[in-house]
Amino acid sequence: ETGVTQSPTHLIKTRGQQVTLRCSSQSGHNTVSWYQQALGQGPQFIFQYYREEENGRGNFPPRFSGLQFPNYSSELNVNALELDDSALYLCASSLPGLQDTEAFFGQGTRLTVV
Amino acid sequence: QQQVKQSPQSLIVQKGGISIINCAYENTAFDYFPWYQQFPGKGPALLIAIRPDVSEKKEGRFTISFNKSAKQFSLHIMDSQPGDSATYFCAALFGGYQKVTFGTGTKLQVIP
Repeated sequence: ETGVTQSPTHLIKTRGQQVTLRCSSQSGHNTVSWYQQALGQGPQFIFQYYREEENGRGNFPPRFSGLQFPNYSSELNVNALELDDSALYLCASSLPGLQDTEAFFGQGTRLTVV
Repeated sequence: QQQVKQSPQSLIVQKGGISIINCAYENTAFDYFPWYQQFPGKGPALLIAIRPDVSEKKEGRFTISFNKSAKQFSLHIMDSQPGDSATYFCAALFGGYQKVTFGTGTKLQVIP
């Protein structure tokens, strides 16, 4: 088991609602990345936070936003939910550096939009 | 576009056999190539990784072969076991920037 924890594990929301997902990074890791994994697909990079600043973003609309806190935990917020947002949302923490580039994933939050 | 192409999509191997999964990438800036194993309902877990200055890396039953000129790399699972049944993702990333670009995944089933 990695030290990355996500909450909640499952969530059902209605189209148009807003959702907040939470992630606690592994101890000592100051970088958190969020990924969306649709059923049967590989994870897709949403964005990354490094020391509370957004540090790179994938091809996702602005209604996907995030925060990182001083303790390096993070939130992913999605506004105006669409049916296609139904997916497993993964958080990964890491410690940037040439010799330590592994990203450790949490078990994810399964979001269902109805 | 930064893509990592993975094949096959699914694979059935008999217990004790060799499982082989192949990946190809386009962006020559990639300098770290991990493989992840994912069980249903779990997040991906790092299995083994390689840098492009090495042509092969072995850890237990898992081996990565890397061909820099062809921009291809592969995962070999020797003596495959039913417990290896999972989805495997190849991935690529570059220097200190933690965005991981994943392949499309290979669902491996090892039958007794």
